[in-house]
Amino acid sequence: GAGVSQSPRYKVAKRGQDVALRCDPISGHVSLFWYQQALGQGPEFLTYFQNEAQLDKSGLPSDRFFAERPEGSVSTLKIQRTQQEDSAVYLCASSRNLGDIPMNTEAFFGQGTRLTVV
Amino acid sequence: SQQGEEDPQALSIQEGENATMNCSYKTSINNLQWYRQNSGRGLVHLILIRSNEREKHSGRLRVTLDTSKKSSSLLITASRAADTASYFCATDANAGGTSYGKLTFGQGTILTVHP
Repeated sequence: GAGVSQSPRYKVAKRGQDVALRCDPISGHVSLFWYQQALGQGPEFLTYFQNEAQLDKSGLPSDRFFAERPEGSVSTLKIQRTQQEDSAVYLCASSRNLGDIPMNTEAFFGQGTRLTVV
Repeated sequence: SQQGEEDPQALSIQEGENATMNCSYKTSINNLQWYRQNSGRGLVHLILIRSNEREKHSGRLRVTLDTSKKSSSLLITASRAADTASYFCATDANAGGTSYGKLTFGQGTILTVHP
């Protein structure tokens, strides 16, 4: 596609509900990232995929957060038993970076999913 | 955790004036990138400067990088009302020479350009 696509754009969840956020990266991009952006803050790294391999999940805040990219393209971020502190914008980004060596390439971001937990 | 700080936190100027935003970071980097974010379009990449570069231009944008001070600045010349947005610097850290492009963002500067 022309850009990174995320769905849904907005999600309201009741506390305790499970949610799934989808990301369609730019076709052919090897690297895929998830970031969390709280209100008034900069994005913070959650996890990284190189193709289907999840190589870094150091930013996931708890074991309620789970991400997958089974075929190396579309990725899903799942949050189980949502809490109010999970309310944020979840951003997905992809890049041509092949990993291992610095390629100095830009990351392309989707518009994000705004999650509100009530 | 955030990599560093940006200042000012908010900047309000008149159309036609120049806007300067600063960013400081903590670790050695491969590159530093600037992004713009507004409610309508999400995060948009503006410019990337590599660790061995000191200055870079793109249209009305000028970015400088001082790796000895671990700081960068973004200058927007002849600002327009459409430049109103939040601006973020982001660093791609150099972790022993390897990198896959993980970015660490600053807290951002909110720029308001009045027509």
